[in-house]
Amino acid sequence: RKEVEQDPGPFNVPEGATVAFNCTYSNSASQSFFWYRQDCRKEPKLLMSVYSSGNEDGRFTAQLNRASQYISLLIRDSKLSDSATYLCVVNMREYGNKLVFGAGTILRVKS
Amino acid sequence: DTGVSQNPRHKITKRGQNVTFRCDPISEHNRLYWYRQTLGQGPEFLTYFQNEAQLEKSRLLSDRFSAERPKGSFSTLEIQRTEQGDSAMYLCASIVTANTGELFFGEGSRLTVL
Repeated sequence: RKEVEQDPGPFNVPEGATVAFNCTYSNSASQSFFWYRQDCRKEPKLLMSVYSSGNEDGRFTAQLNRASQYISLLIRDSKLSDSATYLCVVNMREYGNKLVFGAGTILRVKS
Repeated sequence: DTGVSQNPRHKITKRGQNVTFRCDPISEHNRLYWYRQTLGQGPEFLTYFQNEAQLEKSRLLSDRFSAERPKGSFSTLEIQRTEQGDSAMYLCASIVTANTGELFFGEGSRLTVL
């Protein structure tokens, strides 16, 4: 089983739609979780951290479910500019702060 | 420019040759990571350093791969006897502390092995 798993998509949605991605992780000892965004042919950049209590940043909401070992990202009112690959990242503290990426979920927002 | 710098940006080599990539992290960042990314995949962890100490190396890596970070500043990643399967984007990232999770990536070094 992979350490971090994501549905690769692509998710094709119209502008204004709400879309959600899930990510599962295998190591229950994992401590920190993040969502990164990667545009085509660009390097990944941090989108948001995922806290136990959940967190929201504008149209983006991240949630953590430790019992089921998954994190989620919800995007409301999708914009064309949201089209990108969304990468789930887990800090494998058991292995000394190894940051492990999922394969990414492709989002395409269309007008 | 105070971001993470990688060079060369592109490298084309013949199978069996050795290649070396360099990464200059953000100066105050004490932790440095190397990842490899192929098309349609997320960045795959290779190794990371805390200052000059290499703390972990992926079990997926063969002995042909070696990385160093002398003096805890820049880092080099060397691939010996390259194979076509080594063709990928090699990404370097640095961070002050992994607790924040905000890795700052360089633009990557793209390797093509013919």
